[in-house]
Formats: sequence, C-alpha cells, structure tokens
Amino acid sequence: DVKVTQSSRYLVKRTGEKVFLECVQDMDHENMFWYRQDPGLGLRLIYFSYDVKMKEKGDIPEGYSVSREKKERFSLILESASTNQTSMYLCASRKGGPTYEQYFGPGTRLTVT
Amino acid sequence: LAKTTQPISMDSYEGQEVNITCSHNNIATNDYITWYQQFPSQGPRFIIQGYKTKVTNEVASLFIPADRKSSTLSLPRVSLSDTAVYYCLVGDANQAGTALIFGKGTTLSVSS
Repeated sequence: DVKVTQSSRYLVKRTGEKVFLECVQDMDHENMFWYRQDPGLGLRLIYFSYDVKMKEKGDIPEGYSVSREKKERFSLILESASTNQTSMYLCASRKGGPTYEQYFGPGTRLTVT
Repeated sequence: LAKTTQPISMDSYEGQEVNITCSHNNIATNDYITWYQQFPSQGPRFIIQGYKTKVTNEVASLFIPADRKSSTLSLPRVSLSDTAVYYCLVGDANQAGTALIFGKGTTLSVSS
C-alpha cells in the first residue's frame, strides 16, 4: 500500500516563527502536493512538484515556499508564520503518467498563536 | 482547468441510493472526471474516475452523458459510514506539472 506520512499531526507555533512541514511518500511517486483545508473553503492547492527540484505554484502560494531535494520528500515552509496560516495541511502524492489517483497523508493541524 | 459545480450538502437515510451531480460545462477533450471521498480528520480518498458513459466499481458508479458537461456519482444503499464530503474534479492528469484542483465538495449526511 502507498503510504504518505507527515511529520506531525498537531503543531503549535508562534507568530513570526519559521515552520517546516515534512511529507514523505514511499512509492516512488513523481508528483507531490501541498494543500490546506479550512472550514467552508474546501481544499486549496498551495504548491506542487512533478520532479525533484521542480515546483509549481498552486492557487494560494503567498506566504509559503517548498523544497524537494529528494524524490520521496516534499517540504512546506512557512517563512514567518502568521495567524491566518492556522489550518489543516494535507500532503499528497501521485505517480506520473495517466492516473488521477492521489494518495493523501493524515494531515497536520497547525495552530499559529 | 475546468470548473466544477456541485451541491453544498445532501441528506439521505440508510439503505437509499444517493446521486450527487456535478456540472463541468467547460470540460476539455482530454479531461477526465474523478471523485474523491473525505471522512472527518482524514485526507481525501480516490473513489472513481471516468471519461465517458458509465464506470462502476465496488464502491460507486459514475454516469457521464455524451456531452460530458456533467457527471453523477451514484452510491447504492448508503450506510451511516458513507457520511463524508465528496469532491468532483475535472482535469488532465496526463501532463506533467498538472495538479488536481479540489473545490468545496458535497457534504453527504446519512441518518438512520
């Protein structure tokens, strides 16, 4: 089974801190994604990557950056956390080619105080 | 990417068939239609995908008319455990650098 793991289920940070959210997948997938989910807004795409060192902006990249140095790991970075970044963050991966099946991690509930 | 429109919420009772319709008027030739299910406190899970006509698996059926401007996810004989958010997505995942865009989904509530 494909497994996507995220470094933390719950995280509490202070405003202005630099925050790293890590995601690891074990199925050699080419594509990896970061979404955030907020009540009433659904899932919104922050960034994605279709290859090592490649990244593309999603719908809401402002305030975030990403890093993909290895194929299995995709990191989301909040350079200076703000309270409006309090959210559920979901990582997903998908193999390359004609497939529409993405595998999601359990999510990280980030609270910025 | 084609935009989708689906109902915000639906209610049903156990044992009933539930049909959730999604509109995607500007679907492109290479786009597929995909549905995901999300339970509380979990990430979304792939249910079914299709291009045209009808697709069926052990979880659901997907009906797509000839013009492909809409699609209907059909859940036979729902149970309480089918209470979840259901997302309709349209896109061409064949191309590198393509992401699936999730909207707000349809919240299905099943009661006994």
